[in-house]
Amino acid sequence: DIQLTQSPSSLSASIGDSLTITCRASQMIDFYLNWYLQKPGEAPKLLIYAASRLQSGVPSRFSGGGSGTDFSLTISGLQADDFGVYFCQQIHTISALTFGGGTKVEIK
Amino acid sequence: EVKLVESGGGLVQPGGSLRLSCAASGFPFSKYEMNWIRQTPGKGLQWVAYSSPTGGTIYYADSVKGRFSISRDNDKQSLSLQMNSLRPEDAGVYYCMGRGYDRSGYFDSWGQGIRVTVSS
Repeated sequence: DIQLTQSPSSLSASIGDSLTITCRASQMIDFYLNWYLQKPGEAPKLLIYAASRLQSGVPSRFSGGGSGTDFSLTISGLQADDFGVYFCQQIHTISALTFGGGTKVEIK
Repeated sequence: EVKLVESGGGLVQPGGSLRLSCAASGFPFSKYEMNWIRQTPGKGLQWVAYSSPTGGTIYYADSVKGRFSISRDNDKQSLSLQMNSLRPEDAGVYYCMGRGYDRSGYFDSWGQGIRVTVSS
């Protein structure tokens, strides 16, 4: 199975900060990578699909980049509502979808 | 409004069986791939099973192969997961999830999740 390694595993940032989370795949996955945000007690919510495409209704402060094995999610101007756990997911191999371990974002 | 609602979870003894159901509404269910995904504190998000839009292609995670069975009824807009020979490591919150590309972009929707506990 394709392994996804996220970093950092957690971070604390202030409102207005910009931050970047990375996701590295164990093999080439082209652009078949999604980013989710999960809040406590809720299901994950899609933010970015196909590595860099903003899902409808998601604020433009979220952006994604990368292809192949290295990907990133950037939040430009952190808002209070952005706390939670961010996950990457590869959909290159639909017979074995995999997720990253998550990055917990806390607001200072 | 797009909705996926899981049911059927609960407490079961090791070796027992449980059937999860997912009722879909608000979107053309028969056009999308469906998955069961579980979440545990120890292993995070784990994909469990996949069904193509017609149900003609099905995949399972190695950890559940031979024990779990995914099925869908497109007429009733429902997805099921039959879980047999349950083990303590199968415990967690199970989500049904639909996804796929459509004319407006990318469709991705999750249910609220249902808890499965495997314990004696």
